[in-house]
Amino acid sequence: AQTVTQSQPEMSVQEAETVTLSCTYDTSENNYYLFWYKQPPSRQMILVIRQEAYKQQNATENRFSVNFQKAAKSFSLKISDSQLGDTAMYFCAFMKLSQGGSEKLVFGKGTKLTVNP
Amino acid sequence: GAGVSQSPRYKVAKRGQDVALRCDPISGHVSLFWYQQALGQGPEFLTYFQNEAQLDKSGLPSDRFFAERPEGSVSTLKIQRTQQEDSAVYLCASSLLVGRSPLHFGNGTRLTVT
Repeated sequence: AQTVTQSQPEMSVQEAETVTLSCTYDTSENNYYLFWYKQPPSRQMILVIRQEAYKQQNATENRFSVNFQKAAKSFSLKISDSQLGDTAMYFCAFMKLSQGGSEKLVFGKGTKLTVNP
Repeated sequence: GAGVSQSPRYKVAKRGQDVALRCDPISGHVSLFWYQQALGQGPEFLTYFQNEAQLDKSGLPSDRFFAERPEGSVSTLKIQRTQQEDSAVYLCASSLLVGRSPLHFGNGTRLTVT
């Protein structure tokens, strides 16, 4: 079974600064996706960024980028130029690739990020 | 609709009552998932539908939990004889195709069992 560990229950950062959220995972699979989701108080999970395990290049989406270390099974999220709207819970998630079956997500426990003005 | 819609947004039930939670996925989405998110935790998988077929129900915690999607669109998660440990946010998510396409989540239903 896959597990996802987020070791930082809470983080805070000043507006406009950079913050890195940590995530490690455990799997014996070779083909999978990794995700970072943001969950504001509205409770809706919003996809921030996605990484395919077979791609060596780290994914980037505007101010968000990842550091994917496949051998170390590490997948950290870097948020640059933090904005007040980035305040939310952030969840790291793993998805095993399969042939047409349910590709369910396995989530970590989350990191609560607060961006201070 | 524009997104995944869940109702009710909040539900309070007395222990032992039955509840039904509704999910309206994005029109045309084939895959539908239910997740349970306990307070302070990440979501945990409950069950998966591909159209009307329930292909995976391995995450349902007990036989008190039942889900259906009879016409391949709207889905209902039913919990019988609710217990306090059932208190959680129940999230529904849908995707256009089977596998690899982005998941769209609803705002969830917060169930409190007193």
